[in-house]
Amino acid sequence: GESVGLHLPTLSVQEGDNSIINCAYSNSASDYFIWYKQESGKGPQFIIDIRSNMDKRQGQRVTVLLNKTVKHLSLQIAATQPGDSAVYFCAENEDSSYKLIFGSGTRLLVRP
Amino acid sequence: NAGVTQTPKFRILKIGQSMTLQCTQDMNHNYMYWYRQDPGMGLKLIYYSVGAGITDKGEVPNGYNVSRSTTEDFPLRLELAAPSQTSVYFCASSPPAGELFFGEGSRLTVL
Repeated sequence: GESVGLHLPTLSVQEGDNSIINCAYSNSASDYFIWYKQESGKGPQFIIDIRSNMDKRQGQRVTVLLNKTVKHLSLQIAATQPGDSAVYFCAENEDSSYKLIFGSGTRLLVRP
Repeated sequence: NAGVTQTPKFRILKIGQSMTLQCTQDMNHNYMYWYRQDPGMGLKLIYYSVGAGITDKGEVPNGYNVSRSTTEDFPLRLELAAPSQTSVYFCASSPPAGELFFGEGSRLTVL
Protein backbone atom coordinates (compact mmCIF):
# COMPACT_ATOMS: atom_id res chain seq x y z
CA GLY A 1 0.00 0.00 0.00
CA GLU A 2 0.99 3.63 0.03
CA SER A 3 3.63 4.41 2.58
CA VAL A 4 5.99 7.02 3.90
CA GLY A 5 9.61 6.06 4.45
CA LEU A 6 12.93 7.58 5.44
CA HIS A 7 16.36 7.24 3.85
CA LEU A 8 18.49 7.30 7.02
CA PRO A 9 17.64 5.63 10.30
CA THR A 10 20.33 7.51 12.29
CA LEU A 11 21.97 10.87 11.71
CA SER A 12 24.89 12.11 13.80
CA VAL A 13 25.87 15.78 13.59
CA GLN A 14 28.22 18.13 15.38
CA GLU A 15 26.65 20.72 17.62
CA GLY A 16 26.30 23.95 15.67
CA ASP A 17 26.14 22.27 12.27
CA ASN A 18 23.03 22.13 10.14
CA SER A 19 21.02 18.89 9.99
CA ILE A 20 19.04 17.55 7.07
CA ILE A 21 16.56 14.74 7.57
CA ASN A 22 15.00 13.23 4.47
CA CYS A 23 11.74 11.47 3.78
CA ALA A 24 10.26 9.82 0.70
CA TYR A 25 6.56 9.37 0.21
CA SER A 26 4.74 7.31 -2.35
CA ASN A 27 1.15 8.56 -2.33
CA SER A 28 0.93 11.24 -5.00
CA ALA A 29 -2.55 12.15 -3.69
CA SER A 30 -1.17 13.28 -0.32
CA ASP A 31 -1.55 17.01 0.14
CA TYR A 32 -0.47 17.64 3.72
CA PHE A 33 2.82 16.75 5.38
CA ILE A 34 4.04 17.16 8.93
CA TRP A 35 7.32 16.72 10.77
CA TYR A 36 7.19 15.53 14.36
CA LYS A 37 9.90 15.32 17.00
CA GLN A 38 9.78 12.59 19.61
CA GLU A 39 12.02 12.69 22.65
CA SER A 40 12.63 9.53 24.63
CA GLY A 41 9.60 8.48 26.67
CA LYS A 42 7.38 11.24 25.31
CA GLY A 43 4.71 11.65 22.70
CA PRO A 44 5.47 13.20 19.30
CA GLN A 45 5.54 16.98 19.16
CA PHE A 46 4.62 19.02 16.12
CA ILE A 47 7.53 20.83 14.48
CA ILE A 48 6.34 22.17 11.16
CA ASP A 49 3.90 21.33 8.41
CA ILE A 50 3.54 22.06 4.72
CA ARG A 51 0.74 21.72 2.19
CA SER A 52 1.23 20.52 -1.33
CA ASN A 53 0.67 23.98 -2.82
CA MET A 54 3.97 25.08 -1.27
CA ASP A 55 7.61 24.10 -1.90
CA LYS A 56 9.16 25.53 1.22
CA ARG A 57 8.12 26.66 4.65
CA GLN A 58 10.27 28.13 7.39
CA GLY A 59 9.91 28.16 11.12
CA GLN A 60 12.26 29.00 13.93
CA ARG A 61 15.56 27.27 12.99
CA VAL A 62 13.64 24.72 10.90
CA THR A 63 12.79 24.61 7.23
CA VAL A 64 10.70 22.02 5.41
CA LEU A 65 11.18 21.48 1.69
CA LEU A 66 8.71 19.61 -0.48
CA ASN A 67 9.58 18.27 -3.92
CA LYS A 68 6.42 16.87 -5.41
CA THR A 69 8.14 15.83 -8.62
CA VAL A 70 10.21 13.18 -6.85
CA LYS A 71 7.90 12.84 -3.84
CA HIS A 72 10.53 13.93 -1.36
CA LEU A 73 10.30 15.85 1.88
CA SER A 74 13.15 17.17 3.98
CA LEU A 75 13.57 18.85 7.34
CA GLN A 76 16.48 21.21 7.80
CA ILE A 77 17.54 22.23 11.30
CA ALA A 78 19.92 25.18 11.50
CA ALA A 79 22.65 25.37 14.15
CA THR A 80 21.74 22.01 15.67
CA GLN A 81 21.69 21.97 19.45
CA PRO A 82 21.89 19.12 21.99
CA GLY A 83 18.19 19.61 22.68
CA ASP A 84 17.48 18.66 19.08
CA SER A 85 18.53 15.07 19.78
CA ALA A 86 15.40 13.00 19.23
CA VAL A 87 13.64 10.80 16.70
CA TYR A 88 12.06 12.72 13.84
CA PHE A 89 9.06 11.43 11.93
CA CYS A 90 7.56 12.65 8.72
CA ALA A 91 3.88 12.01 8.18
CA GLU A 92 1.47 12.47 5.31
CA ASN A 93 -2.27 12.68 5.24
CA GLU A 94 -4.17 10.04 3.38
CA ASP A 95 -6.47 11.44 0.72
CA SER A 96 -7.45 14.46 2.85
CA SER A 97 -9.10 12.21 5.43
CA TYR A 98 -6.92 13.67 8.21
CA LYS A 99 -5.57 10.20 8.97
CA LEU A 100 -1.85 10.74 9.21
CA ILE A 101 0.46 7.96 8.01
CA PHE A 102 3.84 8.03 9.72
CA GLY A 103 7.23 6.97 8.48
CA SER A 104 9.56 4.83 10.57
CA GLY A 105 11.63 7.74 11.92
CA THR A 106 15.19 9.04 11.90
CA ARG A 107 17.20 9.33 15.08
CA LEU A 108 19.21 12.55 15.30
CA LEU A 109 22.26 12.47 17.58
CA VAL A 110 24.02 15.75 18.32
CA ARG A 111 27.69 15.46 19.27
CA PRO A 112 29.01 18.12 21.69
CA ASN B 1 -5.25 23.46 29.29
CA ALA B 2 -3.99 19.97 30.10
CA GLY B 3 -4.06 18.98 26.41
CA VAL B 4 -4.36 15.23 25.82
CA THR B 5 -4.27 13.06 28.93
CA GLN B 6 -3.81 9.31 28.85
CA THR B 7 -4.15 6.79 31.65
CA PRO B 8 -2.61 4.54 32.75
CA LYS B 9 0.99 5.35 31.86
CA PHE B 10 2.10 1.76 32.40
CA ARG B 11 0.26 -1.55 32.57
CA ILE B 12 1.15 -5.21 32.55
CA LEU B 13 -1.51 -7.66 31.39
CA LYS B 14 -1.71 -11.41 31.22
CA ILE B 15 -2.68 -13.07 27.95
CA GLY B 16 -6.45 -13.08 27.57
CA GLN B 17 -7.12 -10.23 30.00
CA SER B 18 -9.07 -7.14 29.01
CA MET B 19 -8.45 -3.50 29.72
CA THR B 20 -9.32 0.00 28.62
CA LEU B 21 -6.87 2.79 27.90
CA GLN B 22 -8.41 6.13 28.72
CA CYS B 23 -7.90 9.30 26.71
CA THR B 24 -9.38 12.72 27.30
CA GLN B 25 -8.71 16.11 25.72
CA ASP B 26 -9.76 19.59 26.81
CA MET B 27 -9.13 21.44 23.56
CA ASN B 28 -12.61 20.83 22.12
CA HIS B 29 -11.09 19.03 19.14
CA ASN B 30 -13.44 17.09 16.91
CA TYR B 31 -10.83 14.61 15.72
CA MET B 32 -9.26 12.01 17.96
CA TYR B 33 -6.92 9.12 17.19
CA TRP B 34 -5.26 6.08 18.70
CA TYR B 35 -1.82 5.02 17.48
CA ARG B 36 0.50 2.27 18.57
CA GLN B 37 4.27 2.45 18.39
CA ASP B 38 6.41 -0.66 18.47
CA PRO B 39 10.10 -0.35 19.49
CA GLY B 40 12.18 1.50 16.90
CA MET B 41 9.19 1.95 14.65
CA GLY B 42 6.83 4.65 13.53
CA LEU B 43 3.24 5.09 14.64
CA LYS B 44 0.47 2.92 13.26
CA LEU B 45 -3.10 4.20 13.30
CA ILE B 46 -5.50 1.90 15.15
CA TYR B 47 -8.78 3.85 15.17
CA TYR B 48 -9.87 7.40 14.72
CA SER B 49 -12.97 9.50 15.27
CA VAL B 50 -14.15 12.66 13.54
CA GLY B 51 -16.71 13.50 16.19
CA ALA B 52 -18.90 12.16 18.98
CA GLY B 53 -20.70 9.02 17.89
CA ILE B 54 -18.44 8.44 14.88
CA THR B 55 -15.49 6.05 14.77
CA ASP B 56 -13.56 4.40 11.97
CA LYS B 57 -10.80 1.84 11.53
CA GLY B 58 -7.21 2.78 10.86
CA GLU B 59 -4.34 0.62 9.62
CA VAL B 60 -4.23 -1.94 12.49
CA PRO B 61 -7.68 -2.18 14.17
CA ASN B 62 -7.79 -5.93 14.86
CA GLY B 63 -7.99 -6.77 18.56
CA TYR B 64 -9.18 -3.30 19.58
CA ASN B 65 -12.43 -1.43 20.01
CA VAL B 66 -13.22 2.23 20.58
CA SER B 67 -16.17 4.41 21.45
CA ARG B 68 -16.75 8.16 21.30
CA SER B 69 -19.71 9.13 23.42
CA THR B 70 -18.42 12.64 24.12
CA THR B 71 -16.14 15.11 22.36
CA GLU B 72 -13.62 14.90 25.18
CA ASP B 73 -13.19 11.14 25.64
CA PHE B 74 -11.96 8.40 23.31
CA PRO B 75 -11.24 5.16 25.20
CA LEU B 76 -9.45 2.22 23.56
CA ARG B 77 -10.43 -1.26 24.66
CA LEU B 78 -8.43 -4.47 24.36
CA GLU B 79 -10.75 -7.45 24.81
CA LEU B 80 -8.38 -10.44 24.77
CA ALA B 81 -4.83 -9.24 25.24
CA ALA B 82 -2.13 -10.94 23.19
CA PRO B 83 1.68 -10.58 23.31
CA SER B 84 1.53 -8.92 19.87
CA GLN B 85 -0.28 -6.02 21.54
CA THR B 86 2.75 -5.17 23.66
CA SER B 87 3.47 -1.63 22.54
CA VAL B 88 3.29 2.03 23.46
CA TYR B 89 -0.10 3.52 22.74
CA PHE B 90 -0.57 7.19 21.90
CA CYS B 91 -3.81 9.08 21.83
CA ALA B 92 -4.01 12.30 19.84
CA SER B 93 -6.52 14.97 18.97
CA SER B 94 -6.71 17.66 16.32
CA PRO B 95 -8.95 20.29 14.84
CA PRO B 96 -10.05 19.60 11.25
CA ALA B 97 -7.08 19.98 8.87
CA GLY B 98 -4.80 20.82 11.76
CA GLU B 99 -1.83 19.41 13.61
CA LEU B 100 -2.18 16.46 15.96
CA PHE B 101 -1.57 16.94 19.66
CA PHE B 102 -0.35 13.78 21.33
CA GLY B 103 -0.58 12.46 24.86
CA GLU B 104 2.43 11.17 26.74
CA GLY B 105 1.70 7.53 25.88
CA SER B 106 0.64 4.36 27.67
CA ARG B 107 3.15 1.54 27.79
CA LEU B 108 1.45 -1.85 27.71
CA THR B 109 3.15 -5.20 28.23
CA VAL B 110 1.28 -8.46 27.66
CA LEU B 111 2.88 -11.54 29.23
